[in-house]
Amino acid sequence: SQQGEEDPQALSIQEGENATMNCSYKTSINNLQWYRQNSGRGLVHLILIRSNEREKHSGRLRVTLDTSKKSSSLLITASRAADTASYFCATALNAGGTSYGKLTFGQGTILTVHP
Amino acid sequence: GAGVSQSPSNKVTEKGKDVELRCDPISGHTALYWYRQSLGQGLEFLIYFQGNSAPDKSGLPSDRFSAERTGGSVSTLTIQRTQQEDSAVYLCASSLAPGLGLEQYFGPGTRLTVT
Repeated sequence: SQQGEEDPQALSIQEGENATMNCSYKTSINNLQWYRQNSGRGLVHLILIRSNEREKHSGRLRVTLDTSKKSSSLLITASRAADTASYFCATALNAGGTSYGKLTFGQGTILTVHP
Repeated sequence: GAGVSQSPSNKVTEKGKDVELRCDPISGHTALYWYRQSLGQGLEFLIYFQGNSAPDKSGLPSDRFSAERTGGSVSTLTIQRTQQEDSAVYLCASSLAPGLGLEQYFGPGTRLTVT
């Protein structure tokens, strides 16, 4: 079963616009990660934010985390057609004190950036 | 260096047949994960290896599914007596160590179609 939900399920924007995707989760986490997937195949790690962090930046990516609301957002600024992909959030839980990094994924947001 | 590789990239099999899916992790990565991605269920954790041991098999959907890892490297996921609901993309990932907060590197996946 999925840890959380993402919205929107699909997002269509023009090149140059910003894209914001949201992720909600249900249980306490150690960290939250965002991944990108092209054409339904391999996932590429984008950014990781720990539970004690509130905001993180990487290039055109900005991630926020609100543990009180159990939610995160991914902002892609100045989007490009090449950003077209599916974006997933994934949470790493503390499972009985065993640290092994098992990821639980959201349903994903399909982003389409029109040139 | 080389990333995570998986073979075959596509597999079509008849219902009732056994299949083996292979994953070659990044050299030196001690942790290896199998996930499954299907339309109805999204991305789901299947099993995790630390070295050759599998401390967490909780995601395997039935006893028709098994996996092993040898030499702390290559892993094989075996599905016996395949069913149509086994059709999915099977993704393998590895990370340097099983600790929390480490990036997982994903392979391109094996698309399994059971007819």
